[in-house]
Amino acid sequence: QKEVEQDPGPLSVPEGAIVSLNCTYSNSAFQYFMWYRQYSRKGPELLMYTYSSGNKEDGRFTAQVDKSSKYISLFIRDSQPSDSATYLCAMEDYGQNFVFGPGTRLSVLP
Amino acid sequence: DAGVIQSPRHEVTEMGQEVTLRCKPISGHDYLFWYRQTMMRGLELLIYFNNNVPIDDSGMPEDRFSAKMPNASFSTLKIQPSEPRDSAVYFCASSSLSPETQYFGPGTRLLVL
Repeated sequence: QKEVEQDPGPLSVPEGAIVSLNCTYSNSAFQYFMWYRQYSRKGPELLMYTYSSGNKEDGRFTAQVDKSSKYISLFIRDSQPSDSATYLCAMEDYGQNFVFGPGTRLSVLP
Repeated sequence: DAGVIQSPRHEVTEMGQEVTLRCKPISGHDYLFWYRQTMMRGLELLIYFNNNVPIDDSGMPEDRFSAKMPNASFSTLKIQPSEPRDSAVYFCASSSLSPETQYFGPGTRLLVL
């Protein structure tokens, strides 16, 4: 079993839809959870960063962490064509073991 | 701020040649990370530095890879000798205070023939 799993997609949605992106993980020591967005041929860009369990909202983006289920989510409301990108989850434990998920490719159709 | 700067942006070389990738982190950032990204393996952390000191190099694939950070504003990743399986996009990232919030550079696309 991989340490972090993520559906690779592609996920295609119409403009304005609510998008749900998810990651599961196996290492219960992970405490920090991040979501990065990567446009084609660009470096990843940090979107959201949360510590431990709970929700965090930033504009159209909401990150959720459920440590009991080892499951994290990123929700995008009112999705736009400019949101079309690959979304990578990332995690870290106190020992600074960083692991990225393989990414989900999202396409928002106008 | 110009962000993380990487050079070269593209590199094509032949098997057996030495390759040196360069990175200038964001000024004032304490952490510097080197990653490799491929379709098959995704984004992999190779090594990271804190205050110019290597902290974890467990991701470095083998002795052909080496990284240095001689000062707070410059780091290199060297592959010698290069092999076709080293073909990938290599990213440098830096962060300040907490390593969770990393800023990535544009990457170097390496092709080893």
